[in-house]
Amino acid sequence: GESVGLHLPTLSVQEGDNSIINCAYSNSASDYFIWYKQESGKGPQFIIDIRSNMDKRQGQRVTVLLNKTVKHLSLQIAATQPGDSAVYFCADQEGGFKTIFGAGTRLFVKA
Amino acid sequence: GAGVSQSPSNKVTEKGKDVELRCDPISGHTALYWYRQSLGQGLEFLIYFQGNSAPDKSGLPSDRFSAERTGGSVSTLTIQRTQQEDSAVYLCASSLQGASNEQFFGPGTRLTVL
Repeated sequence: GESVGLHLPTLSVQEGDNSIINCAYSNSASDYFIWYKQESGKGPQFIIDIRSNMDKRQGQRVTVLLNKTVKHLSLQIAATQPGDSAVYFCADQEGGFKTIFGAGTRLFVKA
Repeated sequence: GAGVSQSPSNKVTEKGKDVELRCDPISGHTALYWYRQSLGQGLEFLIYFQGNSAPDKSGLPSDRFSAERTGGSVSTLTIQRTQQEDSAVYLCASSLQGASNEQFFGPGTRLTVL
């Protein structure tokens, strides 16, 4: 079956450092991948997405890398700030609407 | 503009009772999704609507769960004969067109079944 998982459940970084959150997915037919950020008591918030015909996409302070060969997705956050502290989820879709989420990684930013 | 809203924000019910959860998507969004999030867990896909139709109901945990959407807007998720394992946060999201489009999430309804 489909599964999207995360290598590390908790990540602690120093303010100003770069953060890298990793994700492995199992469905080789997935064609759309998304990263979400969820703060306590709130719904997930879209960060960045990437389609399967790309291997890198950059946003403001964030970069998503996709390696389809090993079915790996990563989110890089540059110059991590205290406001980045949250749980981060990767998710994928295969040719449609059904979105499968991973278990999440909690990011702690130390001041 | 208004985002996705959900009501109630919290619901406490007794085992065996029925509950209805409501989602108001962003105006103009044709796709609507329901997810369930247990404490400390990721999101579990339940169902999605494209317009008023639900092409994929495979995520609904049991036949006690049902959902409908009327007028291409408001959706309700109904859980009949609630069980303690139904306790979770139920999240709704909407997107402009659906597939491969950003989903905007509501704040969720926290359901507690005693």
